[in-house]
Amino acid sequence: KNQVEQSPQSLIILEGKNCTLQCNYTVSPFSNLRWYKQDTGRGPVSLTIMTFSENTKSNGRYTATLDADTKQSSLHITASQLSDSASYICVVSENTGGFKTIFGAGTRLFVKA
Amino acid sequence: GAGVSQSPSNKVTEKGKDVELRCDPISGHTALYWYRQSLGQGLEFLIYFQGNSAPDKSGLPSDRFSAERTGGSVSTLTIQRTQQEDSAVYLCASSRIAGGSYEQYFGPGTRLTVT
Repeated sequence: KNQVEQSPQSLIILEGKNCTLQCNYTVSPFSNLRWYKQDTGRGPVSLTIMTFSENTKSNGRYTATLDADTKQSSLHITASQLSDSASYICVVSENTGGFKTIFGAGTRLFVKA
Repeated sequence: GAGVSQSPSNKVTEKGKDVELRCDPISGHTALYWYRQSLGQGLEFLIYFQGNSAPDKSGLPSDRFSAERTGGSVSTLTIQRTQQEDSAVYLCASSRIAGGSYEQYFGPGTRLTVT
């Protein structure tokens, strides 16, 4: 069964610190992996997308990595800000044509002053 | 341009009543998706539309749920005889074309509370 698992479920860090969120998947055949940020009360917004051949992608203070061999991805946040407090969702798409996208349950990040 | 919009933003209804949730996708996007997000849970796929093709209804949890997309644009998700377990945030998204390579743009969601 295709699954996407994220860890930790929640995380509390101090403003200015770095953190890394993890995503493991069993989706096959693999097409791409996205990280979304979902602020409270808002819809998710895409941060990065990576295909099979890409192993790192940056978007400002967000850096995503992908190891397609071990089927693992991480999202690293540098110099966290209060506005980074949100849920971060890992989303993996199958390469079967049409639409087949599996969402992880997300990691809830709290950045404290 | 304008993003995906949804209405109402909040809906409180009594158990057993029918509700309609509306989604206006981004202009020109041919694919439209509905998801459900229960408190503290991940997104649950419900249904998606691609152009004039028959929708993929494989995620609808029961026959009380249905959706339409008129004129390839606005979509309505209808829940009949609502139950308390239907309480959730219902998110709509659209993309240029259906498929994982195309980013889905999400609306703000409709928070449904069934009392």
